Amino acid sequence: QLQLQESGPGLVKPSETLSLTCSVTGGSISSSTYHWGWIRQPPGMGLEWIAAIYYSGTTYYNPSLKSRVTISVDTSKNQFSLKLSSVTVADTAVYYCASHFRTVTHYWYFDHWGRGTQVTVSS
Amino acid sequence: DIVMTQSPDSLAVSLGERATINCKSSQSVLYTSKNNNYLAWYQQKPGQPPKLLIYWASTRESGVPDRFSGSGSGTDFTLTISSLQAEDVAVYYCQQYYSSPPTFGQGTKVEI
Repeated sequence: QLQLQESGPGLVKPSETLSLTCSVTGGSISSSTYHWGWIRQPPGMGLEWIAAIYYSGTTYYNPSLKSRVTISVDTSKNQFSLKLSSVTVADTAVYYCASHFRTVTHYWYFDHWGRGTQVTVSS
Repeated sequence: DIVMTQSPDSLAVSLGERATINCKSSQSVLYTSKNNNYLAWYQQKPGQPPKLLIYWASTRESGVPDRFSGSGSGTDFTLTISSLQAEDVAVYYCQQYYSSPPTFGQGTKVEI
């Protein structure tokens, strides 16, 4: 059974870069079944998809965040990572990593989620 | 982006009664070549990540009780809980995966 676990700082200062890592266990990040990515949820609000990556390095970004986001994968560690630059208080949220089930013709639904990590942007 | 709109925002249902949640997409999520609707439903309990309930609009994820069912096609979809249990109190989200970026509805809170 796939398990995902987020790690990273819980507090980031405005204008700095948020960095998170997701460790995958119970399966290989090089699986052809999945892409891997990030979804966030501001306090009391809904879900926003951020970015995804395939083990080969192909990336997909939400246009609303694309200019500030970088997603990367480390197959040797079975991990993938997120960087969000120039953060503001609006980036305060619970950040989830999730497996993205590939539908081949279109995009993904999300069948395994990490527990989420709270990131607060504050000076 | 495809906008997903759920209704109602919240509903209160008695134990054992039926709960119905609607989801409307701003454009069709039906891929006619395969007759598949690119629509998923999730359940989120307080302090927990979302849990996948249904994909392809009507296929239950493994382990999901059969009181949960999904229906609809094109732009209009429904999640039905046939007999509400106490453990079903949660917020429910629909999500389209027909186009990028994948987008979610605003959520529907189900209470007893």
